[in-house]
Amino acid sequence: DIQMTQSPSTLSASVGDRVSITCRASQSISSWVAWYQQKPGKAPKLLIYEASFLESGVPSRFSGSGSGTEFALIISSLQPDDFATYYCQQYNTNSWTFGQGTKVEIK
Amino acid sequence: EVQLVQSGAEVKKPGDSLKISCQGSGYNFPSYWIGWVRQMPGKGLEWMGIIYPGDSDTRYSPSFEGQVTMSADKALSIGYLQWSNLKASDTAMYYCARPRRPGKSRGGAFNIWGQGTMVTVSS
Repeated sequence: DIQMTQSPSTLSASVGDRVSITCRASQSISSWVAWYQQKPGKAPKLLIYEASFLESGVPSRFSGSGSGTEFALIISSLQPDDFATYYCQQYNTNSWTFGQGTKVEIK
Repeated sequence: EVQLVQSGAEVKKPGDSLKISCQGSGYNFPSYWIGWVRQMPGKGLEWMGIIYPGDSDTRYSPSFEGQVTMSADKALSIGYLQWSNLKASDTAMYYCARPRRPGKSRGGAFNIWGQGTMVTVSS
């Protein structure tokens, strides 16, 4: 199974900060990575697919990069609505794996 | 509107059996994988497996193989997740989800999610 190692597990930041979350795959997965946002009591929401494509309706302050084994989610200017938990996911084959999650907290 | 609607919360005893459902609407249900994701209280997302309703092709995560059974009724556009012998450790929120693209070649990222079904197993 492909493992996804996500870091950091917790991130404290202020409104307006640039924030970066990384995921490392245990083997090359091309660009088959997605990023999700989850708020308490809610289902996850897709933000980015195929490493760098913005899902429809998602604000442009979110972006994704990477290929192979190293991936990143960047929030260019953190907004109050962005305090949540973020997960990466690989779908290189029909066997998906999630990262452990990153909780973005208010500093 | 494309949506997945899951069955309601369940409270069961250890050893009970259970089948929860995920009703798809607004799209061609047989043509998209349906995935199942577990989230234990206060924990992260765990991929359990996927099923392709068109031919019932099923892939399980090794962590869940033999622990649960996935099925689908393509005529009714419903996916199912079932247990035959629940344990307290099965207490969790369970989500179904659909990927962005149809077809079997590669499921892709999940852009449609059900609202979740909370399963509580307690004596």
